Amino acid sequence: AQKITQTQPGMFVQEKEAVTLDCTYDTSDPSYGLFWYKQPSSGEMIFLIYQGSYDQQNATEGRYSLNFQKARKSANLVISASQLGDSAMYFCAMREINNDMRFGAGTRLTVKP
Amino acid sequence: NAGVTQTPKFRVLKTGQSMTLLCAQDMNHEYMYWYRQDPGMGLRLIHYSVGEGTTAKGEVPDGYNVSRLKKQNFLLGLESAAPSQTSVYFCASSSLRSLYNEQFFGPGTRLTVL
Repeated sequence: AQKITQTQPGMFVQEKEAVTLDCTYDTSDPSYGLFWYKQPSSGEMIFLIYQGSYDQQNATEGRYSLNFQKARKSANLVISASQLGDSAMYFCAMREINNDMRFGAGTRLTVKP
Repeated sequence: NAGVTQTPKFRVLKTGQSMTLLCAQDMNHEYMYWYRQDPGMGLRLIHYSVGEGTTAKGEVPDGYNVSRLKKQNFLLGLESAAPSQTSVYFCASSSLRSLYNEQFFGPGTRLTVL
């Protein structure tokens, strides 16, 4: 069974600094996809970044990058140059072929001015 | 292009009452999903649909029913609401149910069952 673990219920970061949000996963399937979503206080789910299990390079999208360590089964989200608007809940998710997307419990990030 | 919309945004029910949540998408997506979000548990899949007229169970289907009579709409029904169904419900859609296709989410419906 799939399992996504986000061990940090809450994180604080100073504005303009970088922050890493941890995500580990458990799967025996060689093919899978990893996703990060952002949920601001307004409640909507916003897709941030995707990493495929066969991708050779770490995914990047603007200030977001994914530190993918396949052997350790970790897919940490790195946010560079944090902004006040980055304060939100962040969810890691994984999908295997023919399986549904499963989400972690989330990490609440607070950016301090 | 509204994306994924959900109605209502908020609802309060008494135990035993029934209701239907409506999800609509205008992106011509084949796949639609209903999730519930509870504190400390992330999102859990209730039911999903791979196309008009088809539905399937997800991780937590008990107490819910769904229907997809039109491609753009996906309805979630609670026949006899229970306090354990107090949650925030999200609808999502995707063009393909593949590894790399992200899901697009609606704004959510906050349901309280007294």
